[in-house]
Amino acid sequence: QVQLVQSGAEVKKPGASVKVSCKASGYTFSSYAMHWVRQAPGQGLEWIGWINAGNGNSKSSQKFQGRVIITRDTSASTVYMELSSLRSEDTAVYYCAREGHGDWAKFDYWGQGTLVSVSS
Amino acid sequence: QSVLTQPPSASGTPGQRVTISCSGSSFNIGSNPVNWYQQLPVTAPKLLIYSNNQRPSGVPDRFSGSKSGTSASLAISGLQSEDEGDYYCAAWDDSLNAVVFGGGTKLTVL
Repeated sequence: QVQLVQSGAEVKKPGASVKVSCKASGYTFSSYAMHWVRQAPGQGLEWIGWINAGNGNSKSSQKFQGRVIITRDTSASTVYMELSSLRSEDTAVYYCAREGHGDWAKFDYWGQGTLVSVSS
Repeated sequence: QSVLTQPPSASGTPGQRVTISCSGSSFNIGSNPVNWYQQLPVTAPKLLIYSNNQRPSGVPDRFSGSKSGTSASLAISGLQSEDEGDYYCAAWDDSLNAVVFGGGTKLTVL
């Protein structure tokens, strides 16, 4: 069965960086794109960006350009999302989500979420 | 301010039918499929409806989706207490080159 298992909660200071991992299993890793979505406390879902797990090409929302790097390690079937220059507004649960074939906004499997807290 | 517009709340009694709307533009809903996600309390979102009106395996047929022009709707019939949670619509936006979400609708079963 498909599983996406994310790394544990992080506490960071403003200005620092955080790197969240998402380990995939139960399917051919390189055949599906992976997206990152975040949810601030009490707020809705916000798309961060995505990566083609096959060729490694990635793209992020304009809001995060210059601050986010999405990478993958095919040997470990793992995708990473690194967010830099953290500020308090980045406090959120970060999810990885597998893109179902045929639609960039169809996320058929989700990770359990990783809480990133940014506080001085 | 979300690109897709949803009502912030909806409610119904057990057994009732409830609909949740999602309004967009020609750049997103008007030209791309709409997906719906269900987020129950303290859990990750779950794909509920894809490609406007398709249900993934395991999703009860009480849930249905539709799309017309630049708007979409999610209907839940035979409302149950376990349906209580947040519902989000999502689509690709050709202008922003990004996935856009609605602000979410909190469903309460009275």
